[in-house]
Amino acid sequence: NAGVMQNPRHLVRRRGQEARLRCSPVKGHSHVYWYRQLPEEGLKFMVYLQKENIIDESGMPKERFSAEFPKEGPSILRIQQVVRGDSAAYFCASSPIPGPSYEQYFGPGTRLTVT
Amino acid sequence: ILNVEQSPQSLHVQEGDSTNFTCSFPSSNFYALHWYRWETAKSPEALFVMTLNGDEKKKGRISATLNTKEGYSYLYIKGSQPEDSATYLCAPTRDSNYQLIWGAGTKLIIKP
Repeated sequence: NAGVMQNPRHLVRRRGQEARLRCSPVKGHSHVYWYRQLPEEGLKFMVYLQKENIIDESGMPKERFSAEFPKEGPSILRIQQVVRGDSAAYFCASSPIPGPSYEQYFGPGTRLTVT
Repeated sequence: ILNVEQSPQSLHVQEGDSTNFTCSFPSSNFYALHWYRWETAKSPEALFVMTLNGDEKKKGRISATLNTKEGYSYLYIKGSQPEDSATYLCAPTRDSNYQLIWGAGTKLIIKP
């Protein structure tokens, strides 16, 4: 019974490159959340997606960041033209039921380092 | 913007002792409160989701209470064990918003 999987676990990118972070939710879960943890800070909500739909992206920077959750395959968080300030741990979580009163299952995170 | 405060920031407890810590949040438009346990090098793990004022939940030696009118929740650990060492995070939500607003956490260290 696989949990949430994220890959890669560690990603190093030079400034200006693109970063692609993948998240495979728990089997049967169709709701995915992305969070970011900047160094020395707590978790911050970025985006909530259902299959093929972005439900709430209010926590995501307006430029350079995008997310998708296609009908088939993992959810992708894409960061274009990365800058040093994008260095952080990115976590995804999934749930089988939408809404804030249901627990979320977290992946191990992707640690992005921008050099 | 929700201002979520957790106290203390860190806590050293002798093995076998019981302990508790607090999560404070604005009570207006409260919808749900999540407690998570986050061990170093692992993923956050859900402990409880609470919605009702006066609610009390228990999982093994860990329990939590909720007061939505005054805006706080307590997490209790009875008979602390070394494996309880972790950061405990609370995250309330407002209205029916999907966003969890995370506290900074209480880092618990159990001394053998």
